[in-house]
Amino acid sequence: DTAVSQTPKYLVTQMGNDKSIKCEQNLGHDTMYWYKQDSKKFLKIMFSYNNKELIINETVPNRFSPKSPDKAHLNLHINSLELGDSAVYFCASRRTGARTSLHFGNGTRLTVT
Amino acid sequence: GIQVEQSPPDLILQEGANSTLRCNFSDSVNNLQWFHQNPWGQLINLFYIPSGTKQNGRLSATTVATERYSLLYISSSQTTDSGVYFCAADFTGGGNKLTFGTGTQLKVEL
Repeated sequence: DTAVSQTPKYLVTQMGNDKSIKCEQNLGHDTMYWYKQDSKKFLKIMFSYNNKELIINETVPNRFSPKSPDKAHLNLHINSLELGDSAVYFCASRRTGARTSLHFGNGTRLTVT
Repeated sequence: GIQVEQSPPDLILQEGANSTLRCNFSDSVNNLQWFHQNPWGQLINLFYIPSGTKQNGRLSATTVATERYSLLYISSSQTTDSGVYFCAADFTGGGNKLTFGTGTQLKVEL
């Protein structure tokens, strides 16, 4: 199936741990994103990569580090997890250029205890 | 600043009813999309509609870019339409990112 897929779907961990979320798309897109959805359902962009190059870096703690090994993959590593990091993280992708449709993965629900 | 506002924030419908959801945006856009977040949390693309009108089954959308708003019409609503509807705008000169509205929470009851 052509899609944006992220793993894991659920992630429960303790404060202070380091964790990663992986994202892969097979849509042939060259721009990928990470969005965070908080408990009030608000979706906010975190990062964007275009052809492995970071192009958007919103005001995000530097404990969050995206890595793009190739244009089909964008992973998110989080160091020293805090309670406030609990949220749903969505990966998304599209072809370069604003006039294209954005496609989302199914999300990763992160719970920090 | 750049804003995307949606109304109403919450909506309860009886099955079979029609509804209109509104999205206002604060500046000119290159891209306007509507998404449905179902009760399982999946974000489903509904429409890519920077201008004009599109229809897909019981759903249709209209964007009037010059007046900076978009409307999503749901006709003959079904319980499976429940969830949160988001519009998101890619503003001209905004750095190639979608800015989301706060959503409309829809519940369709039998």
